[in-house]
Amino acid sequence: SQQGEEDPQALSIQEGENATMNCSYKTSINNLQWYRQNSGRGLVHLILIRSNEREKHSGRLRVTLDTSKKSSSLLITASRAADTASYFCATEDITGANSKLTFGKGITLSVRP
Amino acid sequence: SAVISQKPSRDICQRGTSLTIQCQVDSQVTMMFWYRQQPGQSLTLIATANQGSEATYESGFVIDKFPISRPNLTFSTLTVSNMSPEDSSIYLCSVFQGVGEQYFGPGTRLTVT
Repeated sequence: SQQGEEDPQALSIQEGENATMNCSYKTSINNLQWYRQNSGRGLVHLILIRSNEREKHSGRLRVTLDTSKKSSSLLITASRAADTASYFCATEDITGANSKLTFGKGITLSVRP
Repeated sequence: SAVISQKPSRDICQRGTSLTIQCQVDSQVTMMFWYRQQPGQSLTLIATANQGSEATYESGFVIDKFPISRPNLTFSTLTVSNMSPEDSSIYLCSVFQGVGEQYFGPGTRLTVT
């Protein structure tokens, strides 16, 4: 079953604007990760935030995690046309010897030049 | 980060036939993962492949349909057997690196006619 649920499902913004995407999950996690996928190709890892962290930055990316609300947000500042892609959140589950990721349904981001 | 390649990058197959997808990693890894991404959907984990042991399949996936080999620490294959149009998907392999993030191959786009 899907763990992460992103919203909105689709987002269209103008180049230079900020894009905010949200993810909610249901169970306890080790960490939460965000990935980008361009045109149905392989996924690219963007950023990982651990369950004991509240905020993390990487370049133009800012991720927050609220474990009490079981939610995360990904902010892309000063967006560019090249940011057009699908974005997925994924949670790494605590239980089990074999760690695995569970992906959300994804958000389609379109950045208009 | 690990560099992962997959072969073939895409294929069009007739129903009832089988296709074997190869995944090669440029470094030794313990765990390799196979995912399926159906059109417009998120990623679903098919199985985890550990070298020297049987693959661990997720609910809804069986070895007869998706046999996996893991002959060494840098290579794995996934076979999609007795294909039907419902098997049309992108198939991705991935490996864990660092503290939990996964790195993905470019994917194999399979179309079954």
